[in-house]
Amino acid sequence: KAGVTQTPRYLIKTRGQQVTLSCSPISGHRSVSWYQQTPGQGLQFLFEYFSETQRNKGNFPGRFSGRQFSNSRSEMNVSTLELGDSALYLCASSSPPQETQYFGPGTRLLVL
Amino acid sequence: AQSVTQLDSQVPVFEEAPVELRCNYSSSVSVYLFWYVQYPNQGLQLLLKYLSGSTLVKGINGFEAEFNKSQTSFHLRKPSVHISDTAEYFCAVILTNDYKLSFGAGTTVTVRA
Repeated sequence: KAGVTQTPRYLIKTRGQQVTLSCSPISGHRSVSWYQQTPGQGLQFLFEYFSETQRNKGNFPGRFSGRQFSNSRSEMNVSTLELGDSALYLCASSSPPQETQYFGPGTRLLVL
Repeated sequence: AQSVTQLDSQVPVFEEAPVELRCNYSSSVSVYLFWYVQYPNQGLQLLLKYLSGSTLVKGINGFEAEFNKSQTSFHLRKPSVHISDTAEYFCAVILTNDYKLSFGAGTTVTVRA
């Protein structure tokens, strides 16, 4: 089976812009989670989707949003980018039971 | 809420020597436990997991971990490391009734010849 794929792999944006990141889960996996990784804060949970419904959300401002499509692919959007949003954004997928998450290679976002 | 503490931020080790990475967690309810590895400029790769059953779990690349419920620990070990084991290692937990992983701060392992 193909693994979790994320596009794009690298992005450079400027403050105030918005960005959309994409994640395709492992075939058959219906749960997709997003994490932010920074040197200062480490790995932090953003949100999780299952069957197009957000089931859990981390402590991030409303500028961070996501969605999931009927084919389980997911996107996350960050509006009004700030310098502090520079990070590696990781997507993970899992299938019931939901305890084991498999990660994609990540999208590295640099905000200038 | 649960939390994860990785007791060592950096572990230097010589090739073919053993290594142990320590992880403690706190949670008021049952958890599942994981170790992930991250190589430079890559995502996280699952090394091993504890869901239930035997407290000694074996993973990929010769790694193993032991779940100790009384000490709330899940230490990772490898009897003989290779240069290719140089990476960052993350301990993570998830509540059995939840969907989000909580990660430790990570341990950087540097293997020297």
